[in-house]
Amino acid sequence: DVKVTQSSRYLVKRTGEKVFLECVQDMDHENMFWYRQDPGLGLRLIYFSYDVKMKEKGDIPEGYSVSREKKERFSLILESASTNQTSMYLCASSSNRGLMNTEAFFGQGTRLTVV
Amino acid sequence: AQKITQTQPGMFVQEKEAVTLDCTYDTSDPSYGLFWYKQPSSGEMIFLIYQGSYDQQNATEGRYSLNFQKARKSANLVISASQLGDSAMYFCAMREVAGNNRKLIWGLGTSLAVNP
Repeated sequence: DVKVTQSSRYLVKRTGEKVFLECVQDMDHENMFWYRQDPGLGLRLIYFSYDVKMKEKGDIPEGYSVSREKKERFSLILESASTNQTSMYLCASSSNRGLMNTEAFFGQGTRLTVV
Repeated sequence: AQKITQTQPGMFVQEKEAVTLDCTYDTSDPSYGLFWYKQPSSGEMIFLIYQGSYDQQNATEGRYSLNFQKARKSANLVISASQLGDSAMYFCAMREVAGNNRKLIWGLGTSLAVNP
């Protein structure tokens, strides 16, 4: 089974802290994604990566950065956490083996609260 | 512009009955794929079913089937014989071939409650 593992299920951080959210996948997938999910807003793409050391901005990259030093690991970094970054964060991965029918596999999510 | 529309914020269904969750999409690309995901209260997104734009048959996976009407640009999810465990958020998503085909475009979701 494909496994996407996020380092924390729940996280509480203080305003101004630097926050690291880690995601690891074990299926040798090329693509990895970070989303945030807020009520009524659905899933919004923050950043994605299609190869090691490669990254592309998604729809809401402001206030975030990412790192992909190894193929299996994709980190989301909040440089200076703010209360408006309180949200559910979802990591996903997918393969390039087919053009269309490769579904994305998700981690269990991290509920981040910034106080 | 939003390319995936799920018009039903919330739905109720009686246990053992069938339910249809609506999804319409907008694309000018002839090649695309459509996905449905389930998100229970635990938070994890679970892949349910896939339909390709060139597929001749409607996709089916167990109790899930996709009512794909290409001319109307709709890809409705049908859940037959609903179970209490089907209570969850359901998301429709699309991947286009043109542009960056690594990304999925998501609808806002439909919350389904199955009543005993």
